[in-house]
Amino acid sequence: DIQMTQSPSTLSASVGDRVTITCRASQSINSWLAWYQQKPGTAPKLLIYKASSLESGVPSRFSGSGSGTEFTLTISSLQPDDFATYYCQQYNTYSKTFGQGTKVEIK
Amino acid sequence: EVQLLESGGGLVQPGGSLRLSCAASGFTFSSYAMHWVRQAPGKGLEWVSGISGSGGSTYYADSVKGRFTISRDNSKNTLYLQMNSLRAEDTAVYYCAKGKGEDPKTTLDIWGQGTMVIVSS
Repeated sequence: DIQMTQSPSTLSASVGDRVTITCRASQSINSWLAWYQQKPGTAPKLLIYKASSLESGVPSRFSGSGSGTEFTLTISSLQPDDFATYYCQQYNTYSKTFGQGTKVEIK
Repeated sequence: EVQLLESGGGLVQPGGSLRLSCAASGFTFSSYAMHWVRQAPGKGLEWVSGISGSGGSTYYADSVKGRFTISRDNSKNTLYLQMNSLRAEDTAVYYCAKGKGEDPKTTLDIWGQGTMVIVSS
């Protein structure tokens, strides 16, 4: 199975900060990577698919990049609504795997 | 509006069975793969199973293979997950999620609100 490793596990930041989360795959997944945002008690929400494509309705401050085994999610200017946990997910195979999550906290 | 509504969760004893349902609306159900993803209390997300739009292809995580069965009734716009031989480690919120295409090898663009399954004696 393909393993996904996110870093950091927790990130403390302030409103207005530029935030970057990294996701590494144990083998190449081409660009078959998605990013999700999850707030407590709610379902995950798709932000980015195919590594860099912004899902409809998602603010443009979110962006994704990377291919192969290394990927990043960037929030250009952190907003109060962005404090949440973020997960990467590979879908290069039918058996999808998620990263362990990155919690973005208020500094 | 695209909506997914799960039901069927609850408390079950170890070794027991449960069937989850997910009622879909707002899109052409048979044109999209569907999936189940779970989240144990305080833990991350784990993909459980996926099924093609036609229902002809199914896929499972190793942790549930042989115990869980995914199916769909396209005439009723409903997805199912039959869970047998349940274990304590199956305790989680179970989400159904819509694939971005007919093939299960796609990402998940719409999620339901989840249904809680507790396996305990």
